[in-house]
Amino acid sequence: GAVVSQHPSWVICKSGTSVKIECRSLDFQATTMFWYRQFPKQSLMLMATSNEGSKATYEQGVEKDKFLINHASLTLSTLTVTSAHPEDSSFYICSAPGSSYEQYFGPGTRLTVT
Amino acid sequence: AQSVTQPDIHITVSEGASLELRCNYSYGATPYLFWYVQSPGQGLQLLLKYFSGDTLVQGIKGFEAEFKRSQSSFNLRKPSVHWSDAAEYFCAVGAYNNNDMRFGAGTRLTVKP
Repeated sequence: GAVVSQHPSWVICKSGTSVKIECRSLDFQATTMFWYRQFPKQSLMLMATSNEGSKATYEQGVEKDKFLINHASLTLSTLTVTSAHPEDSSFYICSAPGSSYEQYFGPGTRLTVT
Repeated sequence: AQSVTQPDIHITVSEGASLELRCNYSYGATPYLFWYVQSPGQGLQLLLKYFSGDTLVQGIKGFEAEFKRSQSSFNLRKPSVHWSDAAEYFCAVGAYNNNDMRFGAGTRLTVKP
């Protein structure tokens, strides 16, 4: 089956620094990938849609200058949290659409900003 | 836009008992419906999905769900719960173009020995 990986699985960074999270489709190509944010014991909230070869589409209320998305190739999308603050601490999950309308999810990246 | 409601935040069942997790959706057209399971600190795993056809769909791990258009529901069921089923369960509804999947708030399942 389709596999989506994320790296790193867990990252701690200091306030004010930037951190990059990678999302890869391992055995299929993905012209579109999705980035979600999940707070503890809450649901997934769609942050943005990453499009290969074009700009990402951000959901209302998501700061595009803070959450930089780059879809570098058909198998890689990156999310960079710039000038991170403690309130950015969260679980970030990416996904890629499959051939039958479902989405394949990565294992997630837990970001802790100190 | 579509939306999903999972009325039960937390459910506790005894091991071996039956389970039903509720999901109601709102969407103007025929929805694409999904159930995902998430273990702590993990990503989401697809349990089953419904697009069309037979309204009773079978999934992995012994789960099934029934689409009821008249009730706008897609409830997840399992006849006999195992301790390993303890997790968070999310119902989701997607649009035909696959670019907008919305999730319910999730139901946390606890299994008592």
